[in-house]
Amino acid sequence: DAGITQSPRHKVTETGTPVTLRCHQTENHRYMYWYRQDPGHGLRLIHYSYGVKDTDKGEVSDGYSVSRSKTEDFLLTLESATSSQTSVYFCAISGPGLASEQYFGPGTRLTVT
Amino acid sequence: AQTVTQSQPEMSVQEAETVTLSCTYDTSENNYYLFWYKQPPSRQMILVIRQEAYKQQNATENRFSVNFQKAAKSFSLKISDSQLGDTAMYFCAFMKHEMYSGGGADGLTFGKGTHLIIQP
Repeated sequence: DAGITQSPRHKVTETGTPVTLRCHQTENHRYMYWYRQDPGHGLRLIHYSYGVKDTDKGEVSDGYSVSRSKTEDFLLTLESATSSQTSVYFCAISGPGLASEQYFGPGTRLTVT
Repeated sequence: AQTVTQSQPEMSVQEAETVTLSCTYDTSENNYYLFWYKQPPSRQMILVIRQEAYKQQNATENRFSVNFQKAAKSFSLKISDSQLGDTAMYFCAFMKHEMYSGGGADGLTFGKGTHLIIQP
C-alpha cells in the first residue's frame, strides 16, 4: 500500500467554523490531489499540487484553499465551513514518470451541522 | 473538459458469472489514460486496471480485462469468474497525458460509478 495517511478520519463541525484536513505521504511523490465524494457525483477534484508551494484549482475549488510547504504534506482548508461541504474527502498522490496511477488515502468523513 | 459516463448505476450477478461494466467518455485529447477503480464498503479506492490510449492491446489483470474502443470512446470492464469480494462501487476515470510534466498533473475525471453486487 502507498504510504498515505489522512487526518482526521472523521470530523463534525459547525457551520461557519474553519476546518483543516491534512494529507501526509511517505512516498516523496511530486503530485498530490484533494477530491470530494458525494452520492451521485463520483469523485471530483478540488485542488492539486505539482510541487512545494505549487498548487492549482480543480473542478470544485470554491470555498476551499490548499497549501503545500513540504513535499510530504498537503493541507485542505475550509475557511468557513458550510453544510454543502459535508462530504468524504480523499487525498491522492501520483509519482514521477508517464501515466502514473493515483493512489488514494483512506478518506476523511466531514459533517458540517 | 472531459466527461465520463457510466450508464449502469447498479448491477447484480451470481457468483462465478462474468459481468461487464460500461464506460464512455468524451474528450478532444489524443493522448490520455483510462482507469477502473474499485471502492469496497471500506471506502478505500483501489486501482483495478489501467489503459494507455496509444496502446491498441486491451489491458488485462488476472480476472479483470477491458475492452477499449478508442474511436467509439468506450472503455468497458469485464470481470470473469466473479467473487463475493468483487462486490463494490466501480469507477471509471480519465486522465489527460501531460507531455512535459509527466503523468496526469491535473487530476482524474471520474464517472458516477456502478454499484456491483455479487450474489452467492
